Amino acid sequence: DTGVSQDPRHKITKRGQNVTFRCDPISEHNRLYWYRQTLGQGPEFLTYFQNEAQLEKSRLLSDRFSAERPKGSFSTLEIQRTEQGDSAMYLCASSLAVATSVPDTQYFGPGTRLTVL
Amino acid sequence: AQTVTQSQPEMSVQEAETVTLSCTYDTSESDYYLFWYKQPPSRQMILVIRQEAYKQQNATENRFSVNFQKAAKSFSLKISDSQLGDAAMYFCAYRSAMDSNYQLIWGAGTKLIIKP
Repeated sequence: DTGVSQDPRHKITKRGQNVTFRCDPISEHNRLYWYRQTLGQGPEFLTYFQNEAQLEKSRLLSDRFSAERPKGSFSTLEIQRTEQGDSAMYLCASSLAVATSVPDTQYFGPGTRLTVL
Repeated sequence: AQTVTQSQPEMSVQEAETVTLSCTYDTSESDYYLFWYKQPPSRQMILVIRQEAYKQQNATENRFSVNFQKAAKSFSLKISDSQLGDAAMYFCAYRSAMDSNYQLIWGAGTKLIIKP
C-alpha cells in the first residue's frame, strides 16, 4: 500500500462551477478526514467519516460542500457553485481506530490544490 | 474551544545544530493528545512525534524530542543534529481524547530553514 492518494492534485476552475475531489485512504483504515489549508495557515477540519457514516461536520462546511464515503472506502468532496474564497489546498487523511485509549495516527494524502478564478 | 498557537512564523538553524520550536495550547480538558507534523515543500504532511497528555515522560523519536509542560500548556519540539532534509513547515496539533471528537486542531505552523 502506497498511502493515502488524492485526485486530482491540482484543479483550476471558474467561479460558479462545481468541482469534485477524490480521496483513497490506506486500505482497511476505517476513519477518513477532510481538511482545508490556506496558504500560510494550518489545516482546518472540515468533516470526518467512521466507515461510511459521516459523524462530524465543521461549521466551515457550508451547504455548498458535500462529502460522501459510500462504501466505507474512498471518499469524495464536492463543492458546488465555487467561490474565490474556496481556493485552498484540500487535504484528506485516514486512520485506523484500534482502541479508544490509543490515539490513532492520521496519515495524510498529498492534497488537491484548488484555484477558483 | 481549544486553540493551538505557534508564535514563531520562521526559524533558522545551522546544519548539525539544535533547534527548538514552540507551541502552546489552550484547553479545559484534562485528557488529550498532542502532535507535531512536518510538511516539506510541495509534499504531504508527515507525523513527527506524538504525546499523550496522561504520560509524564516526554516523547522521543530519534533526533526529535518534545518538552511537554502540561501545567503551562506548552509542547515544544527539539530537533537535534539538524539536517538539510528537516527543512519544512512544522505544525503543532491538538486532539481531544474524548470519544467521537477526533478532529485535529492545528497551529499556524513554523517554517524551519536549515543553513548548510
